[in-house]
Amino acid sequence: GAVVSQHPSWVICKSGTSVKIECRSLDFQATTMFWYRQFPKQSLMLMATSNEGSKATYEQGVEKDKFLINHASLTLSTLTVTSAHPEDSSFYICSAREFGTAGNQPQHFGDGTRLSIL
Amino acid sequence: DAKTTQPPSMDCAEGRAANLPCNHSTISGNEYVYWYRQIHSQGPQYIIHGLKNNETNEMASLIITEDRKSSTLILPHATLRDTAVYYCIAFNYGQNFVFGPGTRLSVLP
Repeated sequence: GAVVSQHPSWVICKSGTSVKIECRSLDFQATTMFWYRQFPKQSLMLMATSNEGSKATYEQGVEKDKFLINHASLTLSTLTVTSAHPEDSSFYICSAREFGTAGNQPQHFGDGTRLSIL
Repeated sequence: DAKTTQPPSMDCAEGRAANLPCNHSTISGNEYVYWYRQIHSQGPQYIIHGLKNNETNEMASLIITEDRKSSTLILPHATLRDTAVYYCIAFNYGQNFVFGPGTRLSVLP
């Protein structure tokens, strides 16, 4: 089946640093990738949608200057949390959808990145 | 996007079938019903999806009512490793996957 690889799986860093998370579709091309955030005991919340070669679309309330998304190829999207602070600590999950225009296309998810800001 | 509602939690005995219900009474004709599950500290795992007909794969079966207003995910022989949060999502191209709170399934020994 389709595999989405996310790296790193765990990051601990000091407040004020920037952190980059990579999301790769390993065996399929993904024109669209998605970034979610999940706080403890809560459900996944969509942060942004990225399309290869164009600017990402951010959900309401998500700061685009804080969470930089780059989708430079059909198999790679990156999320950079700039000047991270403790309130940015969360579980970040990416997903990708195989190329297609039908609703009959599952999204495949990475295993997530647990970000802890000290 | 159609809203789905699921019971917050369910228990199931190991080896028995787990039947997880989902209501999607406002689903539109071209929206698919998707099921995912999330095991603690992992990303969601795709299980199955369907439009009108019942579907079965190596993981589960999906039963969709004729009026499409509800569905049931069936895990035929639940194991301890099936303990997870299960999400039912109504989706069509052009929409976003919207995750509700899901059902926390606990498989008991």
